[in-house]
Amino acid sequence: GAGVSQSPSNKVTEKGKDVELRCDPISGHTALYWYRQRLGQGLEFLIYFQGNSAPDKSGLPSDRFSAERTGESVSTLTIQRTQQEDSAVYLCASTAPQRTYGYTFGSGTRLTVV
Amino acid sequence: AQSVTQLDSQVPVFEEAPVELRCNYSSSVSVYLFWYVQYPNQGLQLLLKYLSGSTLVKGINGFEAEFNKSQTSFHLRKPSVHISDTAEYFCAGTSNTGKLIFGQGTTLQVKP
Repeated sequence: GAGVSQSPSNKVTEKGKDVELRCDPISGHTALYWYRQRLGQGLEFLIYFQGNSAPDKSGLPSDRFSAERTGESVSTLTIQRTQQEDSAVYLCASTAPQRTYGYTFGSGTRLTVV
Repeated sequence: AQSVTQLDSQVPVFEEAPVELRCNYSSSVSVYLFWYVQYPNQGLQLLLKYLSGSTLVKGINGFEAEFNKSQTSFHLRKPSVHISDTAEYFCAGTSNTGKLIFGQGTTLQVKP
């Protein structure tokens, strides 16, 4: 597609429920990233997929968070047993193999845990 | 570990005045640096990037930044700001690992 697509754009869930967030990167982009942006704060790195290499999961805040990517396409970020502190905008970005074109960000999924 | 530090959380400035938003990075390897802008309730937009070559990088909306290796800085500047420049600005960097790390952001508040 023309850009990075994320769905849903908004998600309201009850505390304790599981949620799945989806990211469709730009076609041909081998690298994909997930970030979290809490209200009024910066972007917190969560996880990074690069081609067939093992993902860099160093930013995942707890074992309730996991992410998968199918080949070089769609990625899903799953949050189990959601807590109120998980409320944030979750941003996905992708970039071309050479990393020379800049990182293209999706519009994000705004997650609200009530 | 690689890190990006934005020294000011908020920068108030009057319209038509010059502005500088400061960013320092730490990395032991080659580095690529970026500035992004986020307008209220909108997504991230790339302002400019430094990959190699000339240390003075010009971006959109009249912004420019200078890569200073000796001071490990990549400060963002604009000679004359407009009300419409009011936004959150993020400095980011990556090394050859490809992981993009962001600073905490600087809120630019342009006052009339």
